[in-house]
Amino acid sequence: DIQMTQSPSSLSASVGDRVTITCQASQDISNYLNWYQQKPGKAPKLLIYDASNLETGVPSRFSGSGSGTDFTFTISSLQPEDIATYYCQQYDNLPPSLTFGGGTKVEIK
Amino acid sequence: QLQLQESGPGLVKPSETLSLTCTVSGGSISSSSYYWGWIRQPPGKGLEWIGSIYYSGSTYYNPSLKSRVTISVDTSKNQFSLKLSSVTAADTAVYYCARLFVVAPHFDYWGQGTLVTVSS
Repeated sequence: DIQMTQSPSSLSASVGDRVTITCQASQDISNYLNWYQQKPGKAPKLLIYDASNLETGVPSRFSGSGSGTDFTFTISSLQPEDIATYYCQQYDNLPPSLTFGGGTKVEIK
Repeated sequence: QLQLQESGPGLVKPSETLSLTCTVSGGSISSSSYYWGWIRQPPGKGLEWIGSIYYSGSTYYNPSLKSRVTISVDTSKNQFSLKLSSVTAADTAVYYCARLFVVAPHFDYWGQGTLVTVSS
């Protein structure tokens, strides 16, 4: 099974700061990596799919990059409404399976 | 606008079977572009994929839960269902249903989630 290591598990940053979260796969997953935002008491929301594609309607301050085993999620300028937990998710097709990273809780300093 | 809604008992006794249904509205569950999946989240913890199903009935499951999970689909009702057998307190979680895009597998629509507590 492919393991996903997401870091950090939490971070505190100021409004306007650049925030970066990483996700590392235990083996090559090409670009099968997605990023979700989850606010307390709510379902996760898709932000980025295929490592770098911004979902429709998602603000452009969110971005993703990477391929193979190393991936990065960035908020270019942190806003108060971005307070949430962020998860990466990978897909493997042999056999078909999906795995989420452990999550990163983002707070305002 | 596509909507997914989970339904089922909020309390299940240990050793019994947890059963949930996800009703899809605003779109067809028989679309060839999507799988349909279940994900759970224990209180205060992260997300865990349970399994997914295609409208044809083809399924794939999380290996760690495979022996206890059955996911089925009823295209006539635009619903899919989850059964998890022999539950314990560790199965207490918010259970989400979601749509999974086939080509670039990502969950693009989610239900609101339903809390299922395993307790006697």
